[in-house]
Amino acid sequence: GAVVSQHPSWVICKSGTSVKIECRSLDFQATTMFWYRQFPKQSLMLMATSNEGSKATYEQGVEKDKFLINHASLTLSTLTVTSAHPEDSSFYICSASPRPNTGELFFGEGSRLTVL
Amino acid sequence: SQKIEQNSEALNIQEGKTATLTCNYTNYSPAYLQWYRQDPGRGPVFLLLIRENEKEKRKERLKVTFDTTLKQSLFHITASQPADSATYLCAPSGSSNTGKLIFGQGTTLQVKP
Repeated sequence: GAVVSQHPSWVICKSGTSVKIECRSLDFQATTMFWYRQFPKQSLMLMATSNEGSKATYEQGVEKDKFLINHASLTLSTLTVTSAHPEDSSFYICSASPRPNTGELFFGEGSRLTVL
Repeated sequence: SQKIEQNSEALNIQEGKTATLTCNYTNYSPAYLQWYRQDPGRGPVFLLLIRENEKEKRKERLKVTFDTTLKQSLFHITASQPADSATYLCAPSGSSNTGKLIFGQGTTLQVKP
């Protein structure tokens, strides 16, 4: 099956610093990747849709200047949490949609961010 | 607005029994509906996809039904095992086929030996 790799799996940073999370599709090309955030005991909340070679599309209420998304190639998307604060601490998960799109999504293992 | 409802209370069943999870949606008409499994601290894993013109779909011990009139999907695990314990998420999807998924809050299943 298709594999999506996410790195780092966990990160601790100081308030005010920026953190970059990478999402890679290892054995398929993904023109579209999605970034989700999940707080404890809650469901996944879609943050943005990342399209290769173009700007990301953000969901309502998600600050695009705070959560920078770059989809530089067909196998890599990055999420940078800028000027992180404790309330940004969460579980961030990426997913990829293969070509041709079969409907199902392949998810990374997630990255747990803790901002001190 | 679009709404997806899954039973937020945990479902506890005995090993060997059939687990039935419910997903209800309102204010839209999905072309298909997906079920995912999520273990604590892990990303979701795809289980099954059922299309609007399919009433039922099976995969090993899993069975999914899709009733577009009731706006409901049922997810069954037969002969449940403790290893089936996890949170199960449903995601009804539109016909645009962009890959974008919105998830329900999930139902946690606990299978006791």
